[in-house]
Amino acid sequence: DAGITQSPRHKVTETGTPVTLRCHQTENHRYMYWYRQDPGHGLRLIHYSYGVKDTDKGEVSDGYSVSRSKTEDFLLTLESATSSQTSVYFCAISEGGPYGYTFGSGTRLTVV
Amino acid sequence: KQEVTQIPAALSVPEGENLVLNCSFTDSAIYNLQWFRQDPGKGLTSLLLIQSSQREQTSGRLNASLDKSSGRSTLYIAASQPGDSATYLCAVKRGNEKLTFGTGTRLTIIP
Repeated sequence: DAGITQSPRHKVTETGTPVTLRCHQTENHRYMYWYRQDPGHGLRLIHYSYGVKDTDKGEVSDGYSVSRSKTEDFLLTLESATSSQTSVYFCAISEGGPYGYTFGSGTRLTVV
Repeated sequence: KQEVTQIPAALSVPEGENLVLNCSFTDSAIYNLQWFRQDPGKGLTSLLLIQSSQREQTSGRLNASLDKSSGRSTLYIAASQPGDSATYLCAVKRGNEKLTFGTGTRLTIIP
């Protein structure tokens, strides 16, 4: 979607290394989310943000941290990547309330 | 805890048929429900958004209904086409601004 971009699109990294994924929006939406998608588990919420410097945990937050220093950017960091964090990561944005979600194209992360 | 279920997990139908995809959720205290499609290796594309006060929404050949009291939503696709082949996901939003997803139905339209 033109209003939300994720980078990188693909990444291969080694176990134990730190990794940061970036989500950038041009829609000025208040809410931003990080999900991971795995076969058999569907999409699960990792962390979300409800404003600059305001973040909270989702259902699978262990091993992940986030930061939002500007409205348009939401960063997801894997402090020390593990093989269980191999997944496809999606960022989403929303204005909240009755509005729906818009998703980015995803980042495919492989931890070897 | 909200749980969202989509049955069947996979569905194959001949081109031209009308079809219905199902979504059920355990907690009826939802804010809205959104249907997405996902093509292999791609992101999620929003199809329809239904508010909790609405009964249905339509977009072209797609019609989504919502029965909040029974915890069910259906996505009706009319005159199916091969381009409709994709995985369809439903997701419900609660008042805490979090979205809970079903695991999806993989739809294949046979030419």
